[in-house]
Amino acid sequence: SAVISQKPSRDICQRGTSLTIQCQVDSQVTMMFWYRQQPGQSLTLIATANQGSEATYESGFVIDKFPISRPNLTFSTLTVSNMSPEDSSIYLCSVNSGGAGETQYFGPGTRLLVL
Amino acid sequence: GNSVTQMEGPVTLSEEAFLTINCTYTATGYPSLFWYVQYPGEGLQLLLKATKADDKGSNKGFEATYRKETTSFHLEKGSVQVSDSAVYFCALRQAGNQFYFGTGTSLTVIP
Repeated sequence: SAVISQKPSRDICQRGTSLTIQCQVDSQVTMMFWYRQQPGQSLTLIATANQGSEATYESGFVIDKFPISRPNLTFSTLTVSNMSPEDSSIYLCSVNSGGAGETQYFGPGTRLLVL
Repeated sequence: GNSVTQMEGPVTLSEEAFLTINCTYTATGYPSLFWYVQYPGEGLQLLLKATKADDKGSNKGFEATYRKETTSFHLEKGSVQVSDSAVYFCALRQAGNQFYFGTGTSLTVIP
């Protein structure tokens, strides 16, 4: 298994500002994932971040809006840029842990409210 | 393509009632199947998983059996408790590490 921490746990931000979310894992992992969970909805994958390469973004998400860093095998950041109220969500970091039937483990999430 | 369809909620049960949350999937090949639980104010936690047909995953009194013939992975618990109140997500993992999640089913257990 993997233990994942995220900072901040929650924040209230003003429209037009940016917030950087940090994700720390207790072991080295190749791939890290960033999800968005809008109120009352399921998870939507934003991007996959591999160490040493550009993140891969899913349809509907772009690097200018959600830049991602992956400086090493245990850490990643997601920035939500030029925020609007529609960006109010829970942002979740996750990793896969190996073995048969690889399992995805999640951080506790960052609850973001944009006013 | 790959997708997960799960029972719409919300579901409200009395304590000690029997729980079933339906989940069916569409996938190419042989996915692994998972149930995750999200307690109020928390992130997702793995509840149980099954990696091949006829496998049964179990944890904390919850069970789910991987049924290839019906492409289903229904979650069951014989006697729910107030502490089981949460949102439950069914998910599949296909080769390539991509996970696909259902829309979640909210469960409220009343004393």
